[in-house]
Amino acid sequence: EVQLVESGGGLVQPGGSLRLSCAASGFTFSNHWMFWVRQTPGKGLVWVSRINSDGSSTGYADSVKGRFTISRDNAKNTLFLQMNSLRAEDTAVYYCARLGNLEYAFDIWGQGTMVTVSS
Amino acid sequence: DIQMTQSPSSLSASVGDRVTITCRASQSISNYLNWYQQKAGKAPKLLIYAAASLHSGVPSRFSGSGSGTDFTLTVSSLQPEDFATYYCQQSYSTPYTFGQGTKLEIK
Repeated sequence: EVQLVESGGGLVQPGGSLRLSCAASGFTFSNHWMFWVRQTPGKGLVWVSRINSDGSSTGYADSVKGRFTISRDNAKNTLFLQMNSLRAEDTAVYYCARLGNLEYAFDIWGQGTMVTVSS
Repeated sequence: DIQMTQSPSSLSASVGDRVTITCRASQSISNYLNWYQQKAGKAPKLLIYAAASLHSGVPSRFSGSGSGTDFTLTVSSLQPEDFATYYCQQSYSTPYTFGQGTKLEIK
């Protein structure tokens, strides 16, 4: 079964750090660009970061640039998001998503992991 | 960044109705327009990619059209499981921005 499973979310104080993981299975992970998308409770979807298939190129939303780092381990079929200097406005459900090579759309999504930044 | 604007923000309809949701891009995105369905507490699911191509496993009552800046998602005959929130997204250039969503509710 093709799937993505996120982990690593939780409650953290402002200024703290968290590392999210996204384990991929059922497909050739190293063939796909991967993304992180977040959703504030009751709000819409916002693109956070992307990484190309071999990890040599990354991109970030302005709101997280300099604080978040996306990376991947193709040998372990895992995507990561290192989040530092967290702020209250980073509170959201974080989804990892696969960019389909045919569709050029997010064809597979994880179930999401909740990050709460609060003192 | 490319801004995506959906209308309406919410919509009430009945089972069997035909409904249309529109999405407008702030600049031309060719046909790099995708539609997703999201139910409460769940991850989004891809419905339509490249403006008009039906994703695998998606019922044929869903259809998409448009190019350039104006796009539509149509559900030809609403089923009970279609009541959800729908998002458009451009994949023409990063950041791959989403519309604000259209919540489809039962009348």
